Amino acid sequence: QTVVTQEPSFSVSPGGTVTLTCGLISGSVSASYYPSWYQQTPGQAPRTLIYNTDTRSSGVPDRFSASILGNKAALTITGAQADDESDYYCVLYLATGISLFGGGTKLTVL
Amino acid sequence: QLLLQESGPRLVKPSETLSLTCTVFGGSISSSSYYWGWIRQPPGKGLEWLGNIYYSGSTYYSPSLRSRFTISVDTSTNQFSLKLSSVTAADTAVYYCARLRRSNMYYFDYWAQGTLVTVSS
Repeated sequence: QTVVTQEPSFSVSPGGTVTLTCGLISGSVSASYYPSWYQQTPGQAPRTLIYNTDTRSSGVPDRFSASILGNKAALTITGAQADDESDYYCVLYLATGISLFGGGTKLTVL
Repeated sequence: QLLLQESGPRLVKPSETLSLTCTVFGGSISSSSYYWGWIRQPPGKGLEWLGNIYYSGSTYYSPSLRSRFTISVDTSTNQFSLKLSSVTAADTAVYYCARLRRSNMYYFDYWAQGTLVTVSS
């Protein structure tokens, strides 16, 4: 069974930079998995941040960027703000029609 | 602007079947550019992908969950549906329907607001 890994939690200071990662227990994440990233605050539906590895969705601030770092997908927040405190999920497209969510990273800004 | 809206019972008894429908407004479910998906989130836990469906009826289920789930599509009403049989308390969750953009992209670009379904007697 394919498992997507994310850090359970992360902390960043206001104005700081943080990189969240998305990996596979067995294997490497590459662009061929079309990694996407979603932000979710309590009680809200997820919001699409990034798709196709590194493309920002409409309206997403440019302090959010993404890439492949080594064998993982990565989401970087540069100049973190208080309202970036959220849960972040990555999704990999594994095969025709099949998607898989990582367990999510709870980001604290303090 | 696309809008997805879930409907269905919010309370289901154990061992019964959970049924939810997602209606698509502002766009056609019959577009070749999209899949339509169901995702759920148990209280306090992460998002869990359940399955996707194409307008033709082709379905793709989570390998770990497929046995109890059925996803169907009705292009005449611009709706797709989820049925989960033999529910238990572990199936209590917020259920989301979403659109998955395909064709060299493959990401969820529109989400419904989510519906909390509680399994309880």
